Amino acid sequence: GAVVSQHPSWVICKSGTSVKIECRSLDFQATTMFWYRQFPKQSLMLMATSNEGSKATYEQGVEKDKFLINHASLTLSTLTVTSAHPEDSSFYICSAPSRGLAGESKNIQYFGAGTRLSVL
Amino acid sequence: GNSVTQMEGPVTLSEEAFLTINCTYTATGYPSLFWYVQYPGEGLQLLLKATKADDKGSNKGFEATYRKETTSFHLEKGSVQVSDSAVYFCALYTGTASKLTFGTGTRLQVTL
Repeated sequence: GAVVSQHPSWVICKSGTSVKIECRSLDFQATTMFWYRQFPKQSLMLMATSNEGSKATYEQGVEKDKFLINHASLTLSTLTVTSAHPEDSSFYICSAPSRGLAGESKNIQYFGAGTRLSVL
Repeated sequence: GNSVTQMEGPVTLSEEAFLTINCTYTATGYPSLFWYVQYPGEGLQLLLKATKADDKGSNKGFEATYRKETTSFHLEKGSVQVSDSAVYFCALYTGTASKLTFGTGTRLQVTL
């Protein structure tokens, strides 16, 4: 089945540094990917929709300059947390919807294993 | 707008007990419904889905039936195992934007 790979799985960084998280669709093309943030014992909050070849669409309240998203190819989206601070510590998860041969939505999203970010 | 309401957890059961996790939804149009499972420290995995009314999704002993009349998609399993301990998310999807709307998640803890 479709697989989404997310890297790294865990990152610890110093306050003020930037961290890049990669999300790859391994055996299918994804013109769209989604980035979520999950706080402890809470549900997933959609942060933004990553669009291949165009700007990401951010949800209300998400800082565009803080969370930079780049969708460089049909199989790779990256989320960069810029100038990270302790309040950015969280579990970040990406997902990609599967599509059929004609590009039609197959109604299923595949999720990466998540990246735990700890900012000291 | 779309929304999903799940029963609050945690749910604690003994092994081999019957499980029900309630999920109701509000949506415009005709949504597809999903249950995702998240094991500790991992991302979400699709557990089962149903795309139209009266469809029953099933996987690994779990079942859920799409009930349009009650706008519900309750998750059930006849006999839970310790390995089923995880957080379960009900979700819905409408339209072509592929955005999922998640419930808050229900933590299941199964003990021996």
